[in-house]
Amino acid sequence: SQQGEEDPQALSIQEGENATMNCSYKTSINNLQWYRQNSGRGLVHLILIRSNEREKHSGRLRVTLDTSKKSSSLLITASRAADTASYFCATDSPNAGGTSYGKLTFGQGTILTVHP
Amino acid sequence: DTEVTQTPKHLVMGMTNKKSLKCEQHMGHRAMYWYKQKAKKPPELMFVYSYEKLSINESVPSRFSPECPNSSLLNLHLHALQPEDSALYLCASSPYPAGPGNNEQFFGPGTRLTVL
Repeated sequence: SQQGEEDPQALSIQEGENATMNCSYKTSINNLQWYRQNSGRGLVHLILIRSNEREKHSGRLRVTLDTSKKSSSLLITASRAADTASYFCATDSPNAGGTSYGKLTFGQGTILTVHP
Repeated sequence: DTEVTQTPKHLVMGMTNKKSLKCEQHMGHRAMYWYKQKAKKPPELMFVYSYEKLSINESVPSRFSPECPNSSLLNLHLHALQPEDSALYLCASSPYPAGPGNNEQFFGPGTRLTVL
């Protein structure tokens, strides 16, 4: 089952603008991850934020996590045409022992189009 | 070597055929995954192998049969598939099967399967 809801479903912007995507989830998590997928290809891991972290940066990416609201956002600054892709959030949830089930649950994804 | 490879890239098969998908990684990862992804949908987990043992089967029909011959290889044997099984099949690996902080997944490029 997919516990992540992402919005918007699609986002279209011009090069140089910032893109923000949001992800909400339902259950407690160990960590939340963001992945990018270019059309018809494999997913690429972008960033992982643990449940005890609130914000993380990696290059032009900024991820925030609000566990009280069960939500996360991914900000891509100064977007480029090469950022055009689908973006998925994925959650890793704890088992009864507090460790991981060893699987990720993916959100529905946001399709980002960056126009040159 | 920091990639996951999958063969073949494309596969067309009839409903009575038997075929296999192959996945390989040489990163020393001890968890490997099969996902199925339909167009414009997120990946759906099928199987998880931890330390070469099947740890998660997400109620996948028996016409899909996974096999992990060693820590670097993961196969998916296909038999008597249905047209609705046509999809992109993704393989992934991660360093440790469990543990809340270090289970980012590395994906292969996928096999595009068409069942006639």
